[in-house]
Amino acid sequence: GAVVSQHPSWVICKSGTSVKIECRSLDFQATTMFWYRQFPKQSLMLMATSNEGSKATYEQGVEKDKFLINHASLTLSTLTVTSAHPEDSSFYICSATAQTGPGNTIYFGEGSWLTVV
Amino acid sequence: QKEVEQNSGPLSVPEGAIASLNCTYSDRVSQSFFWYRQYSGKSPELIMSIYSNGDKEDGRFTAQLNKASQYVSLLIRDSQPSDSATYLCAVNPGYNFNKFYFGSGTKLNVKP
Repeated sequence: GAVVSQHPSWVICKSGTSVKIECRSLDFQATTMFWYRQFPKQSLMLMATSNEGSKATYEQGVEKDKFLINHASLTLSTLTVTSAHPEDSSFYICSATAQTGPGNTIYFGEGSWLTVV
Repeated sequence: QKEVEQNSGPLSVPEGAIASLNCTYSDRVSQSFFWYRQYSGKSPELIMSIYSNGDKEDGRFTAQLNKASQYVSLLIRDSQPSDSATYLCAVNPGYNFNKFYFGSGTKLNVKP
């Protein structure tokens, strides 16, 4: 299957600082990538859909100025959490779609644990 | 009504038994269906995809699709404690290959 790599796996940052998470498709080109957030014992929550070369589409309630998404190439999307606060501490997961069968399949990165102190 | 519905569980089965996980979806024109496994603290990993009515087997896993009844299921034979995880059902509606709806997941506990 297609491989999606996410970095860093975990990061601790101070309140008020920004942190960047990278998501790479290693063996395929990903026109579309997704960013999810998951709090402990809760469901995946889609934050935004990232399209290469265009602006990301954010889900309702997600602040686009706080969660900056850049998808500058067909293999890389980045999520920057700006002015992070403790309530932003969560598990952030990226994913990418690859064409398989009659449509696309979604593959997930390993996820990034963010702790804001 | 949610696009994809799953029983949250937990579903408890003894080791060696068959675990049956179910999922229903609302969009009748959905084309592609997926099962993911998510261990606690990890990201989801793809187990199986299914596109046509009927059964699809892969090792101890069998996915079953019934488009007329709008449900998809996952059977795990000879369940092992290592199968204990949350299983997510995902559906691609077909009108947009980059749109995926996820269920909230069913937590499976396999007891030794």
